[in-house]
Amino acid sequence: QSALTQPPSVSGSPGQSVTISCTGTSSDVGSYHRVSWYQQPPGTAPKLMIYEVSNRPSGVPDRFSGSKSDNTASLTISGLQAEDEGDYYCSSHTSSSTVVFGGGTKLTVL
Amino acid sequence: QVQLQESGPGLVKPSETLSLTCTVSGGSIRSYYWTWMRQSPGKGLDWIGYFYYTGNTNYNPSLKRRVTISVDTFKNQFSLELRSVTAADTAVYYCARGSPGRSDAFDIWGQGTMVTVSS
Repeated sequence: QSALTQPPSVSGSPGQSVTISCTGTSSDVGSYHRVSWYQQPPGTAPKLMIYEVSNRPSGVPDRFSGSKSDNTASLTISGLQAEDEGDYYCSSHTSSSTVVFGGGTKLTVL
Repeated sequence: QVQLQESGPGLVKPSETLSLTCTVSGGSIRSYYWTWMRQSPGKGLDWIGYFYYTGNTNYNPSLKRRVTISVDTFKNQFSLELRSVTAADTAVYYCARGSPGRSDAFDIWGQGTMVTVSS
């Protein structure tokens, strides 16, 4: 299974919005409504931010939103804050009932 | 509040077997998909596989020949065994829980444990 494709880095100023893309194939992102997003600050374990494309776990701010179109999923963070800095990973269920991750995107808040 | 804690050797010799345990506290290990993942230094996340409480397992195809994940319900622990390791298996290993009813979204993670493969 090949990793999902994410941009290596994105950046934005406080208060702005940023969007991180996650491109897969018809064997994963394109066929299932089962894309998740994780935030990983340096030196810590990942934290689930979005599941099933657009659902937020309890406690995740509504500034975080997810969507999907065809083989590409997206995470949008609005009202950017300094605490949002870190690495973000997408993942998807696959046709083999396994899970594949993206390569990760480093978010910098300017 | 459910918490996960990985434990095991931080150093494993090439060709030997990497064995890690994840202790689940604050909740039962019955139900849920219990999963292992890893992250090589400076790299992204890799899904290793899961054990579902019914006994079903599923593994990353690239690791399938070398991996076994098992559960000890009496000790409330689940374990990872990775055989014939090489330097490429050096990584931070995380245990995680699938969020209720899901095998592919992980809502609780351990802090991770670094394993180095070296002679």
